[in-house]
Amino acid sequence: AQKVTQAQTEISVVEKEDVTLDCVYETRDTTYYLFWYKQPPSGELVFLIRRNSFDEQNEISGRYSWNFQKSTSSFNFTITASQVVDSAVYFCALSGIIQGAQKLVFGQGTRLTINP
Amino acid sequence: NAGVMQNPRHLVRRRGQEARLRCSPMKGHSHVYWYRQLPEEGLKFMVYLQKENIIDESGMPKERFSAEFPKEGPSILRIQQVVRGDSAAYFCASSPRYARTDTQYFGPGTRLTVL
Repeated sequence: AQKVTQAQTEISVVEKEDVTLDCVYETRDTTYYLFWYKQPPSGELVFLIRRNSFDEQNEISGRYSWNFQKSTSSFNFTITASQVVDSAVYFCALSGIIQGAQKLVFGQGTRLTINP
Repeated sequence: NAGVMQNPRHLVRRRGQEARLRCSPMKGHSHVYWYRQLPEEGLKFMVYLQKENIIDESGMPKERFSAEFPKEGPSILRIQQVVRGDSAAYFCASSPRYARTDTQYFGPGTRLTVL
């Protein structure tokens, strides 16, 4: 079965600090996709990134960066120089190719609070 | 704005009433997915539909819940005889082709409150 674990339920930091959100996944699929979504206080879900299992290159987008390590089944998300607007719940999700091909499996989410 | 549309955004029902949630996918998208988010929890898959077909409903409760995606019009998630435990945010997502290769883009959600 597929599973996504976000061990950090809540994180609170002061503005401008760097923060890393952890994501560990389990799957028997050899091909799969990993995602991060942001859910701000307004409640919608905003797509941030998709990474396939064959691409272990780290990705950087502005202040956001993602570290995919297949050896440890982790797909961690780092926000550099955090801002108050980054405050949200962040979800990591997994989509399989063979099993569960039509659905995303989400972690429980990490509530990130950036204090001014 | 060509994003995924959901309505209503907020829905209040009394126990025993019916709830109908609507989802219009992004233009050009023919695959629709429904997820439920209970308070303080992550999203859980409910059902995956293509036009006029239910592809995977493994996450749908066996009773009272149904979904459709007709040839014309939005996808509908229908909950009959609602109970307090149905109170949750219901999200719809769409993708152009298969979930295995395409990103699912989510709508703003419908927040159902059962009194």
